[in-house]
Amino acid sequence: DTGVSQDPRHKITKRGQNVTFRCDPISEHNRLYWYRQTLGQGPEFLTYFQNEAQLEKSRLLSDRFSAERPKGSFSTLEIQRTEQGDSAMYLCASSPGTGGVQPQHFGDGTRLSIL
Amino acid sequence: AQSVSQHNHHVILSEAASLELGCNYSYGGTVNLFWYVQYPGQHLQLLLKYFSGDPLVKGIKGFEAEFIKSKFSFNLRKPSVQWSDTAEYFCAVNRGSGFQKLVFGTGTRLLVSP
Repeated sequence: DTGVSQDPRHKITKRGQNVTFRCDPISEHNRLYWYRQTLGQGPEFLTYFQNEAQLEKSRLLSDRFSAERPKGSFSTLEIQRTEQGDSAMYLCASSPGTGGVQPQHFGDGTRLSIL
Repeated sequence: AQSVSQHNHHVILSEAASLELGCNYSYGGTVNLFWYVQYPGQHLQLLLKYFSGDPLVKGIKGFEAEFIKSKFSFNLRKPSVQWSDTAEYFCAVNRGSGFQKLVFGTGTRLLVSP
């Protein structure tokens, strides 16, 4: 079972730098989600794709954040001009695209540390 | 705004004790409800879900949860915990109506002592 794969697992960068994370969903899952999780909190929704279309976007996703899923398969999340407050675990999840709500399958996450 | 409350942040139990973790949500419309578990060093995994029908749902590893609409609650239970149940447990709510995002509670850290 190849689950949701995220790369890198850890990223350490200096404030002001740009970072990009990648997520490969479970094969044939049409829906892909990004969440952010900080210490002591549950995951917070950032954005959602149905195939290549970005259909939901949280207000948490400032203009420094951009997510893409160009071919409806893998997705990237880019953070520009990183700030201390961006330090968090970034989680990707995927689910089948049929019918209504389906359970989401999560990856291991990318832990971002801003120096 | 929709929110999910998990009142117990840390729970410590001995093996064979019974478990009940509380979850309350604030949204008044149709909801879909989930419990996820995160074992140490692992990713979030689905324990159980409620979409409709019987409000008592059974999940993996002997867990169950009861949806009480009048109380806006979806509490997780297990009659007898094991050391291997040591993990963090998250309640999550989806408001349906075409929305896909999950709103998570802050989680409950469970420690089961052998």
